Amino acid sequence: EPEVTQTPSHQVTQMGQEVILRCVPISNHLYFYWYRQILGQKVEFLVSFYNNEISEKSEIFDDQFSVERPDGSNFTLKIRSTKLEDSAMYFCASSERQGSNQPQHFGDGTRLSIL
Amino acid sequence: AQSVAQPEDQVNVAEGNPLTVKCTYSVSGNPYLFWYVQYPNRGLQFLLKYITGDNLVKGSYGFEAEFNKSQTSFHLKKPSALVSDSALYFCAVRDRKSGGSYIPTFGRGTSLIVHP
Repeated sequence: EPEVTQTPSHQVTQMGQEVILRCVPISNHLYFYWYRQILGQKVEFLVSFYNNEISEKSEIFDDQFSVERPDGSNFTLKIRSTKLEDSAMYFCASSERQGSNQPQHFGDGTRLSIL
Repeated sequence: AQSVAQPEDQVNVAEGNPLTVKCTYSVSGNPYLFWYVQYPNRGLQFLLKYITGDNLVKGSYGFEAEFNKSQTSFHLKKPSALVSDSALYFCAVRDRKSGGSYIPTFGRGTSLIVHP
């Protein structure tokens, strides 16, 4: 079964540095998402992306964050000037369509640790 | 606005016994409802969804969930628990009202522990 893959599995970065988290969605999927999960807390939506544009974003997704689909397969999340509170698991997801009855397929996540 | 509540942080059950993981929701219209499971160090995996039709929805790994509109609930159930079912379970809801967000809201998760 096709999977969403994320790299790296664990990223350790100094506070203030920039990080790029990478995702390869399922190949025939058109909608892409980033979520984060702070340890022990709920899954929080960050942003959705379709047709090279942001479709929706949450209040968490401020100017510190950006997303990009640099080629036909990768989908990246960039966090500029990282803060301690950015430490979390970041999950990429994709879906074939954006219909609200469509389940999202999640990657295994990148654990981001800010020191 | 849409919201979902999972009132139990943890559910403990003996292997072979039935299990229930509770979920209640709030939407202004009608809901789309989902259950996901998360195993350690893994992403969320889709289990089942309620869109319309039969209130009892069957999903992966022998799980099912019952939609109850009057109680605004969507509890996850399995007749006979396995140790391998031990994981974190997330309920999610999306309001079907047109013009709203396509993004579901997730609950805080319930840790299911199945004892041998």
